[in-house]
Amino acid sequence: GDSVIQMQGQVTLSENDFLFINCTYSTTGYPTLFWYVQYSGEGPQLLLQVTTANNKGSSRGFEATYDKGTTSFHLQKTSVQEIDSAVYYCAMRAYTNTGKLTFGDGTVLTVKP
Amino acid sequence: NAGVIQTPRHKVTGKGQEATLWCEPISGHSAVFWYRQTIVQGLEFLTYFRNQAPIDDSGMPKERFSAQMPNQSHSTLKIQSTQPQDSAVYLCASSLALRQNTLYFGAGTRLSVL
Repeated sequence: GDSVIQMQGQVTLSENDFLFINCTYSTTGYPTLFWYVQYSGEGPQLLLQVTTANNKGSSRGFEATYDKGTTSFHLQKTSVQEIDSAVYYCAMRAYTNTGKLTFGDGTVLTVKP
Repeated sequence: NAGVIQTPRHKVTGKGQEATLWCEPISGHSAVFWYRQTIVQGLEFLTYFRNQAPIDDSGMPKERFSAQMPNQSHSTLKIQSTQPQDSAVYLCASSLALRQNTLYFGAGTRLSVL
């Protein structure tokens, strides 16, 4: 079945550190891939999405590249800030599915000033 | 645009009581989704509607849980005979129902079953 794997449950960084969060997926065909961010007390909100394989998505300094070869969609940011502290979810909409998203377990990012 | 509105924000029920959670999707959005969020299970898909019709309820527990969308402006998730393991944040989301369209989530209803 469809699945999304985020190995890092928690990441703690200092301001201006480099961020890298692993995400791999398993499905048939070409899914649409997403990163959502959830701040305390709020619902998840879209950070970026990529529909086409080998394309890169970017938003607010975050980047992720849809790598069909390695079935990965890792999230990166060159220099994190304290306001980036949140939970980050990798998600996938399978090619055969017009609706629901399958989410990874989430990564809690804490950025210390 | 107020976004997806979920009420109540917090609900406390006793074991065995019924809980009804409400969702008002973004105006013009024709797809509505329900997810459950817990520390242990993360974000779990429950069910979704398109143009008020149920499309996929594969994530709904077979007993005690039901969802409806009586009109385009609201959906409800009902849990009968609530149990402590039903305690979670229930999230509603809406979208324009096209494959590439974004899901917009509400802030969620935190259900606590004592």
